[in-house]
Amino acid sequence: DVKVTQSSRYLVKRTGEKVFLECVQDMDHENMFWYRQDPGLGLRLIYFSYDVKMKEKGDIPEGYSVSREKKERFSLILESASTNQTSMYLCASSLPSDYGYTFGSGTRLTVV
Amino acid sequence: AQKVTQAQTEISVVEKEDVTLDCVYETRDTTYYLFWYKQPPSGELVFLIRRNSFDEQNEISGRYSWNFQKSTSSFNFTITASQVVDSAVYFCALSEARGKTSYDKVIFGPGTSLSVIP
Repeated sequence: DVKVTQSSRYLVKRTGEKVFLECVQDMDHENMFWYRQDPGLGLRLIYFSYDVKMKEKGDIPEGYSVSREKKERFSLILESASTNQTSMYLCASSLPSDYGYTFGSGTRLTVV
Repeated sequence: AQKVTQAQTEISVVEKEDVTLDCVYETRDTTYYLFWYKQPPSGELVFLIRRNSFDEQNEISGRYSWNFQKSTSSFNFTITASQVVDSAVYFCALSEARGKTSYDKVIFGPGTSLSVIP
């Protein structure tokens, strides 16, 4: 069964900390994505990557960065966590032109 | 600009009732894709269906059916004889189709939370 695995289900961090959210997929997908999900706003794209070491900004990249050193792993980095980054973070992957995403279970991050 | 609207924020139905989730989209593209995803309480979004803009045939999969109408820019989702396991947040989404070498951005609607009461 194909899978996208997010390393943490729940995370609590302090304001100002550097936070790493990890995502690994075992499907050899080229495309990987990071979304955040907030009530009433749906899913908003933070960053995506269509190849190793390639990255593109999504709709809300401010305060975030990403790293993709290997095809299967896509990391989201909060350089200095703030309370407005408290959210559910969802990772997804897909093949090029395959428009059905496979999502991970999400990481619920709380910044205090 | 692309946009997806799901006007129903929350819906509650009694088990075995039919329920329709509305989705209205906006796009200037002639070629695009529409999707529905289900997010159960466990959190993981599950892909349900993809429909391209040239295929207006309705689709049925078990208790699920989808009605795509380009004339009204709608892609509605109906669950027949709802069950408690259908309780979830459902997202409608839209994607431009730019070709195989480009990323095809997906825009998600805000979601509709469906509660099926036993």
